[in-house]
Formats: sequence, structure tokens, C-alpha cells
Amino acid sequence: QKEVEQNSGPLSVPEGAIASLNCTYSDRVSQSFFWYRQYSGKSPELIMSIYSNGDKEDGRFTAQLNKASQYVSLLIRDSQPSDSATYLCAVTGTYKYIFGTGTRLKVLA
Amino acid sequence: GAVVSQHPSRVICKSGTSVKIECRSLDFQATTMFWYRQFPKQSLMLMATSNEGSKATYEQGVEKDKFLINHASLTLSTLTVTSAHPEDSSFYICSARDPSRGGNTEAFFGQGTRLTVV
Repeated sequence: QKEVEQNSGPLSVPEGAIASLNCTYSDRVSQSFFWYRQYSGKSPELIMSIYSNGDKEDGRFTAQLNKASQYVSLLIRDSQPSDSATYLCAVTGTYKYIFGTGTRLKVLA
Repeated sequence: GAVVSQHPSRVICKSGTSVKIECRSLDFQATTMFWYRQFPKQSLMLMATSNEGSKATYEQGVEKDKFLINHASLTLSTLTVTSAHPEDSSFYICSARDPSRGGNTEAFFGQGTRLTVV
């Protein structure tokens, strides 16, 4: 079982819709969770961090964490074509910083 | 946010030669830096964790004698790909956390280095 799992996609949504990205992790002692966006050929850039159960909102982005289910998600409201990228879930515990395989999002104009 | 600078952004080298990639934390001291490799359309794979003043910790399957990591100061870690082969061609990315921001906070990434071995 992979440590951090994501559906590779592509996930296609129309412009203006809500994009929902999901991530599960295997290490129960994981403490911090991050969503990064990566454009092709570029380095990842941080979108959201979440550390406790529940929802965290920042602009059009909402991160949701459920530690009991070992699940973290990212919602993107009012999706824009510029949101088209690969979204990486990252999980860290005591030391390592592990990435999922990423979900490719396509926002259709 | 904190800034991590990686150099060079692109490098082409001949098979059999060595290439050094630098990763610098510009506005914080990084006791730990991480080195990743990413092949096309794949995720970032952690290669090793670089620790200032001590030996790096390599992930399983990563050859420590081929990928030499040096973390000689709190702001600089280097990755040297020795005796490079075409299969080493990849996107190499470093990252670091700012320890002054507390444990388990986000990592900041360098710009990445596109290595092509011909």
C-alpha cells in the first residue's frame, strides 16, 4: 500500500464548477497535511496546509481533514482554466515529507 | 514566505560526467533539506534527506555513491550526480522547512533542475 494515495485523473470540470480532489494516507501518526499545485515543468507551490480535523478555507480553496478516516481533500470553488494543473497531496509525520502521485485537473472553458 | 533557491535550472551533460546541483535557503537556516526526483507525469519521489553536519539519509533503492549529498552549512545543500547516465535524466527538486516556524510546517521548494544526460 502506498503511503499517500491520490487518483491520478485527469479530473475534468467545467469553468465555474467545484473541483473536488481527494487523498488518503496510511500512517496514522501523520500530523500535517498540505496541498500543492504543480504546473508542468515547474516546482510545486503550496496552496493549503491543514493540521486539525475539519475544514479550512482560504479564498476559493477549502481543505478538509478527517484523521479517523485518514482522508484529506481539497475543494476548489469557481474553478478557472488557470487552475488546470497537477495537485499534490503531501503528508508529514515525525520526519518525512511524502507526496501522493498527484491528480491532474483540467478546467474546461 | 521562505525562499529556497536551486541552481542550475537546466543542465545538459555527457554520459559519464558528474553534475552538481545546489540548493540554498535564502532567508532561513535549514538544518534539513530534502531532495526529490520527478520523472515525466509521475510524482515527486523522495531520494534523500540532507542533514547539516552529518550524513544524508537515503531512501531505499537510491544509490548513495551515485547521488552524493553534502550539507556543509545551514543554508546550502548540494546533490552531485556522479557518472551520469541517460536514465538519470529527470527533474530534480530540493525543499526545506524553516525550523523557526515550528515543527511539521510546510516545505518550500527550489525551482527545480532539469537534467538531461546525452
